[in-house]
Amino acid sequence: SAVISQKPSRDICQRGTSLTIQCQVDSQVTMMFWYRQQPGQSLTLIATANQGSEATYESGFVIDKFPISRPNLTFSTLTVSNMSPEDSSIYLCSLTGAGRETQYFGPGTRLLVL
Amino acid sequence: RKEVEQDPGPFNVPEGATVAFNCTYSNSASQSFFWYRQDCRKEPKLLMSVYSSGNEDGRFTAQLNRASQYISLLIRDSKLSDSATYLCAVYKGTYKYIFGTGTRLKVLA
Repeated sequence: SAVISQKPSRDICQRGTSLTIQCQVDSQVTMMFWYRQQPGQSLTLIATANQGSEATYESGFVIDKFPISRPNLTFSTLTVSNMSPEDSSIYLCSLTGAGRETQYFGPGTRLLVL
Repeated sequence: RKEVEQDPGPFNVPEGATVAFNCTYSNSASQSFFWYRQDCRKEPKLLMSVYSSGNEDGRFTAQLNRASQYISLLIRDSKLSDSATYLCAVYKGTYKYIFGTGTRLKVLA
């Protein structure tokens, strides 16, 4: 299975600032996904990042708050904009497995907003 | 009602015990189900898929009960290393999943 890496692994940020999280895959994948896992909550899909087209956002998530880039088939970024303490969470990128019905996750970015 | 529900636990069991978790889902049309394991401060990792006929992998058995709309995970002969949070996931189609909040297991020496 593909190896997924994320940077940064963790960060502490001030309210009102923005953070860009990078996700790198060691093979080409068509679809990448960004999830959020808030403390005590389930994994929640933020958006699907497709190469060559705009990201598709889930209900409750908007492009202005979570802009996503997908410049090629091995890389994606998620920006958390104008952060507030409520954005403190783990952010994970993921991709589908060969069977297309399983998902594999990157190691996550642990974000704390003060 | 949440789409996917799990008992958060924690389930504290002694080494060698058998433990089972359930996960209920609300959409009767759901077709594919999965169990993930998440260690503290780590990403979720796929443990096993859940097939209609059940699925066994060593000490782990996953089953699906469509009539009552739940999946289960049975762990036999628990090891200390089984301590983790176990997440269930239901595939919604178009590459989308609904995850439960997880059940925390602690295996005690």
